[in-house]
Amino acid sequence: DTAVSQTPKYLVTQMGNDKSIKCEQNLGHDTMYWYKQDSKKFLKIMFSYNNKELIINETVPNRFSPKSPDKAHLNLHINSLELGDSAVYFCASSHGVGSLQETQYFGPGTRLLVL
Amino acid sequence: DQQVKQNSPSLSVQEGRISILNCDYTNSMFDYFLWYKKYPAEGPTFLISISSIKDKNEDGRFTVFLNKSAKHLSLHIVPSQPGDSAVYFCAASDSGAGSYQLTFGKGTKLSVIP
Repeated sequence: DTAVSQTPKYLVTQMGNDKSIKCEQNLGHDTMYWYKQDSKKFLKIMFSYNNKELIINETVPNRFSPKSPDKAHLNLHINSLELGDSAVYFCASSHGVGSLQETQYFGPGTRLLVL
Repeated sequence: DQQVKQNSPSLSVQEGRISILNCDYTNSMFDYFLWYKKYPAEGPTFLISISSIKDKNEDGRFTVFLNKSAKHLSLHIVPSQPGDSAVYFCAASDSGAGSYQLTFGKGTKLSVIP
C-alpha cells in the first residue's frame, strides 16, 4: 500500500500550458505539503494545508494554486507554465495535531519538464 | 540564506566501516531535527529524528548526535552496507513557529563500496 502517492510521475509540457499534479495520502494525516526540488537540489516548502486549510504559503508565484478537496488530498495546479518551473515536486503529509515535532512522509515525486 | 547546511556533497565509505554525515544549522530556534534518505527517482524516506532535549538517538545501525552549542548534528551508520548508498538530507523545524515547516539541507550523497 502506497502511503503518499502522486500522479503523474513524469510531466512534460510546453511553456504557457496549465497543468495539475495530484497527491493522495492514506495515512489518516491532517496536514499535507508541497515541496519543490530545483536544479540545485534544494527541497523547499511551497504550501502546507492542515485539515483543508492553508497554513503555510511561502513566496510562490500566484500561478501556483493548491487545492485540498478533503484532508486526504492536496492537488497543485500551475497556470501559464514557465521554463523555471521545471523541477521535481514532492507531496508530503504528517499527523498535524498535538506536538509540532512532526515527521513528514513523502510521495515519490513528480518530475516536471517545461519545454 | 541556508539555515541548514550539509557541507559535504558526497562521501565514500568502505562496506562495514562507519559512515559519518554532518549537518550544521544557523537558526537557534530549531528544536527538532530529522534525517531523510533518498534513492534516485524516489521520494525522501524518514530515517531518524532527534529532539533538542536530547543529544543522542539510536535506531539499529543509525545514531544521530546533536550538539546544540555548536549547532551541529551528525548521523552515524555502523556498519555501512551497500544498500545505504543514497542521498541523505538533514532537516530541521521550529515547533514554536506554529507550523510544521521543515527546512532541508542540500544533501550528501553516500556511496558504500563493497
